[in-house]
Amino acid sequence: EVQLVESGGGLVQPGRSLKLSCAASGFTFSNYGMHWIRQAPTKGLEWVASISPSGGSTYYRDSVKGRFTISRDNAKSTLYLQMDSLRSEDTATYYCATLRDWGQGVMVTVSS
Amino acid sequence: DIQMTQSPASLSASLGETVSIECLASEDIYSYLAWYQQKPGKSPQLLIYAANRLQDGVPSRFSGSGSGTQYSLKISGMQPEDEGDYFCLQGSKFPLTFGSGTKLEIK
Repeated sequence: EVQLVESGGGLVQPGRSLKLSCAASGFTFSNYGMHWIRQAPTKGLEWVASISPSGGSTYYRDSVKGRFTISRDNAKSTLYLQMDSLRSEDTATYYCATLRDWGQGVMVTVSS
Repeated sequence: DIQMTQSPASLSASLGETVSIECLASEDIYSYLAWYQQKPGKSPQLLIYAANRLQDGVPSRFSGSGSGTQYSLKISGMQPEDEGDYFCLQGSKFPLTFGSGTKLEIK
């Protein structure tokens, strides 16, 4: 059974940093591109970033470029999202996904 | 960026009714289109991928169609458990973009 378990969310002040992790199991993690997708409260889904199976290619939405970094450790079957210079508009539930399978999500709240 | 225009924003259907949800892409997405269902407080669940491929375990009353820029999701015979939000996602080009969603309720 595929499992994607996010962690690392919480309440953080504007301008500070947070690192999300996503532990994957039940599939060959190193074969899959991985994605972070977020959903602000009562809003729709918004793609944030993607990374290729090897980690050699990364992609970001414009609003997070230069502030967020997606990475992966295939030996640990873990996906990461380093979020720096956080803004109130980054407040959302963050999902880790293969696009076929999704984690349960982790809440990030950016507020003073 | 590819814009995904999803309609309708909300829909109310009777049990057994057939419903359709549409997504219009701002350019050809070559059938790189997926449909998801999301229930309150839960993560999205994949229903359809590659425009018309039914994900394993999804009831056959769900079907997808379309090509080029126009795609649709059909539910043939609304069931109570089909209530929820539905989103389309284009995977043709980065940035990946979602439709704005359709809230489906039982009438």
